Amino acid sequence: QVQLVQSGAEVKKPGASVKVSCKASGYSFTSYDINWVRQATGQGLEWMGWMNPNSGNTGYAQKFQGRVIMTRNTSISTAYMELSSLRSEDTAVYYCARGKAWFHPWGQGTLVTVSS
Amino acid sequence: EIVLTQSPGTLSLSPGERATLSCRASQSVSSSYLAWYQQKPGQAPRLLIYGASSRAAGIADRFSGSGSGTDFTLTISRLEPEDFAVYYCQQYGSSRWTFGQGTKVEIK
Repeated sequence: QVQLVQSGAEVKKPGASVKVSCKASGYSFTSYDINWVRQATGQGLEWMGWMNPNSGNTGYAQKFQGRVIMTRNTSISTAYMELSSLRSEDTAVYYCARGKAWFHPWGQGTLVTVSS
Repeated sequence: EIVLTQSPGTLSLSPGERATLSCRASQSVSSSYLAWYQQKPGQAPRLLIYGASSRAAGIADRFSGSGSGTDFTLTISRLEPEDFAVYYCQQYGSSRWTFGQGTKVEIK
């Protein structure tokens, strides 16, 4: 079945970077965009950006421009989201999700905690 | 950026009742690019409706979506115990996506 499996929880200090992975299975990885969405505890969903795994093209929400990089390794069907200059407000669950106009399926989420 | 406003913030209903959730956009949205998601505590969101009115695979037919332009609605015809959750609308336009702030459907 189509599935996205993300890497495990991370704890980072302010100013550090985090890189979250999202491994796809059950479909052709290069045929669908991958998006990243985050959710702070008790809050709503916030779209961060998209990546076309075939071309490597990306697009980022203005809020994250200059701080986020989305990449992929097609040989292992894995997408990555790296967020730098972390601050406490970046503490959230980060999701990858497949799709262009709508997202399905979603990864299980990766909790990133930023704390000194 | 298109802003999506969902109402009400919380809907308190009993099992068996009908739920009507609203999603209003700050400017016109293509119906093809309006989706609804359900999220339960500790879980990732799940796609319910895409293209404003098409049910995703495996979604019960008590869920239906409608609307166009700036006003969209998700209706749950008869609430089942497993339907109590938070629901988000989402729109796509100009390579940007935005979500509504969510409506929580809670047991009355």
